[in-house]
Amino acid sequence: EAGVVQSPRYKIIEKKQPVAFWCNPISGHNTLYWYRQNLGQGPELLIRYENEEAVDDSQLPKDRFSAERLKGVDSTLKIQPAELGDSAVYLCASSLVQLAGAYNEQFFGPGTRLTVL
Amino acid sequence: AQKITQTQPGMFVQEKEAVTLDCTYDTSDQSYGLFWYKQPSSGEMIFLIYQGSYDEQNATEGRYSLNFQKARKSANLVISASQLGDSAMYFCAMRGTAGGTSYGKLTFGQGTILTVHP
Repeated sequence: EAGVVQSPRYKIIEKKQPVAFWCNPISGHNTLYWYRQNLGQGPELLIRYENEEAVDDSQLPKDRFSAERLKGVDSTLKIQPAELGDSAVYLCASSLVQLAGAYNEQFFGPGTRLTVL
Repeated sequence: AQKITQTQPGMFVQEKEAVTLDCTYDTSDQSYGLFWYKQPSSGEMIFLIYQGSYDEQNATEGRYSLNFQKARKSANLVISASQLGDSAMYFCAMRGTAGGTSYGKLTFGQGTILTVHP
């Protein structure tokens, strides 16, 4: 079974430029997450989708970040314009949430390492 | 709000020995889950072990065990018989269950870098 796929793996851009990250979750997984991981820290949730609905975007900086999950499968995270502080690893994860219990394992992709110059 | 604290920025262990990575947590949720993930230099988060807050027995998965002390709000990871491939960053994380304030998202600690020496 294929895991969570992310592209690109690395991206270097100048500040004020736009950038987009793509995520393809594990087939059949209804829930998709975008996390940001700053250097030396743990990941922090940006947005969570259940199917195509964003159910938690409280940590997403909406002035410059946007996300979409068309048809409840693939997802794209966009930053426009990028700032120096956006340099981080952006992780996508997916899970199959069937029951409202704590154990719904999240499977992570390899991440996209963004460097803003 | 949930909070995870990992107080050990780095740990060293000799190959074949056991090592304990510390994790304490704080939450107002009555029901929650605790996770440990491994992140090698390649960057991918690898799930290791899970403990539910109502589980009476400590979780075990092969060489990994979770020392869960609910009253002390600690969930330490024990790795037995360390291997060179265990060298990585380790994260403790928590998620609340439905109805709680932190349902759905994982809250991570800052991580512990484990180095296994031959």
